Amino acid sequence: AQKVTQAQTEISVVEKEDVTLDCVYETRDTTYYLFWYKQPPSGELVFLIRRNSFDEQNEISGRYSWNFQKSTSSFNFTITASQVVDSAVYFCALSETNQGGKLIFGQGTELSVKP
Amino acid sequence: DTGVSQDPRHKITKRGQNVTFRCDPISEHNRLYWYRQTLGQGPEFLTYFQNEAQLEKSRLLSDRFSAERPKGSFSTLEIQRTEQGDSAMYLCASSLVKAGELFFGEGSRLTVL
Repeated sequence: AQKVTQAQTEISVVEKEDVTLDCVYETRDTTYYLFWYKQPPSGELVFLIRRNSFDEQNEISGRYSWNFQKSTSSFNFTITASQVVDSAVYFCALSETNQGGKLIFGQGTELSVKP
Repeated sequence: DTGVSQDPRHKITKRGQNVTFRCDPISEHNRLYWYRQTLGQGPEFLTYFQNEAQLEKSRLLSDRFSAERPKGSFSTLEIQRTEQGDSAMYLCASSLVKAGELFFGEGSRLTVL
């Protein structure tokens, strides 16, 4: 069965600190996709990244970076030099190719960045 | 605006009433998904369509819930005989390809009194 676990419910940091959000997943599929979404206070889920199971290269996009490790079934997300605008709930999600493209979400990590 | 749109954004109803939500996906997207999100939780999958065919329904979707997507365009989610436990945000998303990025609407918040 597929499952996504985000063990950190809430994280609070001070602006300019680096912060890592953890994501651990479970799947029996060999082909799957992992996602991160941001949900700011306005409520709309915003896509951040999609990674397939065959691509373990880390990715960097500006202040955001993602570390995918199949050996530990983890797909962690790091924000460097955090800013107040990064305050939001972040969701990790899993999609298995034989499941029609639906996403299974973790419970989310609420990040609060204080000035 | 060419994003996913949902209507109404907020609905307050009394227990036992029926409610209907509408979702207009991005026009070229053939896949449409419904999710439910309660406070402090991640979105939970309810059902999805490929074109007009409803291909999967979650066990969360009791027989009081019905979803349609006539002609493979907009979709409706109806909840009959609402219960207080139905209070949640109902999210719609669409995608162009399987396992592709899902584009979410702003959601329809339901409050059942």
